[in-house]
Amino acid sequence: KAGVTQTPRYLIKTRGQQVTLSCSPISGHRSVSWYQQTPGQGLQFLFEYFSETQRNKGNFPGRFSGRQFSNSRSEMNVSTLELGDSALYLCASSPWTGSNYGYTFGSGTRLTVV
Amino acid sequence: QKEVEQNSGPLSVPEGAIASLNCTYSDRGSQSFFWYRQYSGKSPELIMFIYSNGDKEDGRFTAQLNKASQYVSLLIRDSQPSDSATYLCAVRKGSNFGNEKLTFGTGTRLTIIP
Repeated sequence: KAGVTQTPRYLIKTRGQQVTLSCSPISGHRSVSWYQQTPGQGLQFLFEYFSETQRNKGNFPGRFSGRQFSNSRSEMNVSTLELGDSALYLCASSPWTGSNYGYTFGSGTRLTVV
Repeated sequence: QKEVEQNSGPLSVPEGAIASLNCTYSDRGSQSFFWYRQYSGKSPELIMFIYSNGDKEDGRFTAQLNKASQYVSLLIRDSQPSDSATYLCAVRKGSNFGNEKLTFGTGTRLTIIP
């Protein structure tokens, strides 16, 4: 059974650019969540989608957005990149929202903003 | 006050001993609790979840939950060098709309000394 797939694995972008990250959940999983991980802040929640609807949103500026498609694949977009956006972006999937089985994480996308 | 707090460590434990990892949470209404392990350079992987007061055992791992004290812990028996990792505590407030997200602590770095 394939795991959570995130693409690309690494990205280098320049300040002011925008970036789109992709996440394909485990087959049959309908909930997708996104987290930003940095050494100082740990895992910070960005948003969660279920059945193409945003269920939760974290405390990030509007430059961070996401969406989910009918096949449960999800994308997140960051516009007008800042140096502080450099981080590991992790996607996680679960069978449904609020599942007690927790999340299965992908390998992440390492974003570096220069 | 942080929603989920963990001692950042590092926590050093001799091989074969019991490692005890602790986590406190601020929202008394929180319902589900998760322990993740994250090796350096890897994504978090779920070890256990617990939602009832008391102990839950899975192999060498035991999760303990005390909702009255808003405290959850993870015990690792017969610690092995391969247990050296960062352990993340995560809390879910509920399963209704808006409360399903997992909020993570910043993690405790555990080192098992051979």
